[in-house]
Amino acid sequence: NAGVTQTPKFRILKIGQSMTLQCTQDMNHNYMYWYRQDPGMGLKLIYYSVGAGITDKGEVPNGYNVSRSTTEDFPLRLELAAPSQTSVYFCASSDSRGRDRFNEQYFGPGTRLTVT
Amino acid sequence: AQSVAQPEDQVKVAEGNPLTVKCTYSVSGNPYLFWYVQYPNRGLQFLLKYITGDNLVKGSYGFEAEFNKSQTSFHLKKPSALVSDSALYFCAVRAPMDSSYKLIFGSGTRLLVRP
Repeated sequence: NAGVTQTPKFRILKIGQSMTLQCTQDMNHNYMYWYRQDPGMGLKLIYYSVGAGITDKGEVPNGYNVSRSTTEDFPLRLELAAPSQTSVYFCASSDSRGRDRFNEQYFGPGTRLTVT
Repeated sequence: AQSVAQPEDQVKVAEGNPLTVKCTYSVSGNPYLFWYVQYPNRGLQFLLKYITGDNLVKGSYGFEAEFNKSQTSFHLKKPSALVSDSALYFCAVRAPMDSSYKLIFGSGTRLLVRP
């Protein structure tokens, strides 16, 4: 299993540009998450999904959008990039059905985004 | 609202000495607690978790953590530190009634193990 994969690893955007961060997991996990990590801070939840076709906002959703058309993929869309969105973005997944509902989350390697 | 505090930005220990990385939490109900480690330019790796049962839980790479309900703490420990343990450590909590199963993270503690 590749686990959770993210592309790209790095990206520099100009203010006002848009982009999509890709996330794919091959573990058949039902839950998927997007977090951002700012320097000296813990991870903050942006959006999450409990299954294909179902998404919901986390703590810091403004400026982002997500979709979940398949179990495997959970892309994060940035519209009109702003300097405040400079961060490291992590995708995660977990299998949270039945007795697995206490399972840990598995994280991707992250995407480092700079908006200038 | 639930929260996690890691009171130390950095912990320094000598190789071979025991280490402790502190974590306290605030959550309604019985918490689910996790420790993750992050090496440079990598994602977070799961170390261990407490769900219920024994207050001392053992995890990967020789790490263990002690759950203390009265002190609302979940400190990470290792009897003998290795230089390779140097990394950023995150404590996280999940509220038992939160259907999103999201994790609330502390701000992280950087562990430096001196040779």
